[in-house]
Amino acid sequence: AQSVTQLDSQVPVFEEAPVELRCNYSSSVSVYLFWYVQYPNQGLQLLLKYLSGSTLVKGINGFEAEFNKSQTSFHLRKPSVHISDTAEYFCAVTWYTGGFKTIFGAGTRLFVKA
Amino acid sequence: GAGVSQSPRYKVAKRGQDVALRCDPISGHVSLFWYQQALGQGPEFLTYFQNEAQLDKSGLPSDRFFAERPEGSVSTLKIQRTQQEDSAVYLCASSAAGTSGSNAEQYFGPGTRLTVT
Repeated sequence: AQSVTQLDSQVPVFEEAPVELRCNYSSSVSVYLFWYVQYPNQGLQLLLKYLSGSTLVKGINGFEAEFNKSQTSFHLRKPSVHISDTAEYFCAVTWYTGGFKTIFGAGTRLFVKA
Repeated sequence: GAGVSQSPRYKVAKRGQDVALRCDPISGHVSLFWYQQALGQGPEFLTYFQNEAQLDKSGLPSDRFFAERPEGSVSTLKIQRTQQEDSAVYLCASSAAGTSGSNAEQYFGPGTRLTVT
């Protein structure tokens, strides 16, 4: 079975500070990894994805994430956050089983303070 | 082209009423997914279509929930005899065909917020 754990439910941080949002997963099959962002009253928007190859992936809005197979982690990072980064962030695991199946973590609320 | 659209954006239903939520996927997207997102939680899988075929409905919480996609494009999620625990945001997503990881990315609509009173 597959599972996703986001280790922090809320992360407060000051503007221009670095941030790391943690995600761990477990899986018995090969998976693809995603980070999505959700702004209030909106759907989910893809930030970045790991499919294969380089373990460091870069996404939109200056975010990046590193896939660590041995630690089964896919932590999201940004070196300097902005007020506009305040949102809910979801880590997701997808695998193919006759069609793609996805499970999401519970989410991390990033709150950027001035 | 246009993204995934959902209607209505907000729905208030009295307990016991039936509701129908609509999803228009991105044109040409073969796969369509429905998720339920409770307040403060991540999306939970409900059901999945490939064209008009419903390949997985394991996430539907009860037989009051029913989804269809008769022509392989627009999909409707119907909830019969709504209960207060059905209050949530219902998200629809679509993706392109194929089995490679590049087709695993899902494009989400804005969601329908259902409130059952």
